[in-house]
Amino acid sequence: DQQVKQNSPSLSVQEGRISILNCDYTNSMFDYFLWYKKYPAEGPTFLISISSIKDKNEDGRFTVFLNKSAKHLSLHIVPSQPGDSAVYFCAASGGGGSNYKLTFGKGTLLTVNP
Amino acid sequence: DVKVTQSSRYLVKRTGEKVFLECVQDMDHENMFWYRQDPGLGLRLIYFSYDVKMKEKGDIPEGYSVSREKKERFSLILESASTNQTSMYLCASRRPLYGYTFGSGTRLTVV
Repeated sequence: DQQVKQNSPSLSVQEGRISILNCDYTNSMFDYFLWYKKYPAEGPTFLISISSIKDKNEDGRFTVFLNKSAKHLSLHIVPSQPGDSAVYFCAASGGGGSNYKLTFGKGTLLTVNP
Repeated sequence: DVKVTQSSRYLVKRTGEKVFLECVQDMDHENMFWYRQDPGLGLRLIYFSYDVKMKEKGDIPEGYSVSREKKERFSLILESASTNQTSMYLCASRRPLYGYTFGSGTRLTVV
């Protein structure tokens, strides 16, 4: 039973345009959400996070939006750059008291074309 | 910055071998994790540990065991390697209520 879902396996955008990556979750106990970026043959690196008490968090070109009623979050990258091409994982924690464990989605491969 | 070090970037092992994957973190974190990443399947949790000598099974523990004798070191053991354990293995550590810091990963090939 997948608690964190990234329904788009891949996304392709032009350099300079906006990239929007989506993530849905089913566990209403989740209260902390993160995005990780992963290049091939490297470990994932933390990108941005958001607590359930907020609906938006911004860090430079990256913004995460949280819609708790819809159990949906999204990552916006503006403007997109070729170096942003990577796999992006959505993750969540807080369900059932296991606040030290993250549950990950399957990832979305973002390709930014020059 | 937290550093999580995995002892090998690439490993090739034979079917039936016992394989040890080592992970060390330098920030005194209680929580450590082992994941594997496979195309189309994302990151799947194998085992985690929330303190020395404490361990819990994750979502896919079959064929694996772990050891945490010291706080900074968390080892993943493949008791008898099989070809379906060919994967990218990722170790992470975490301070409670914060995100993970991952190691660089070990690409294991079982032939």
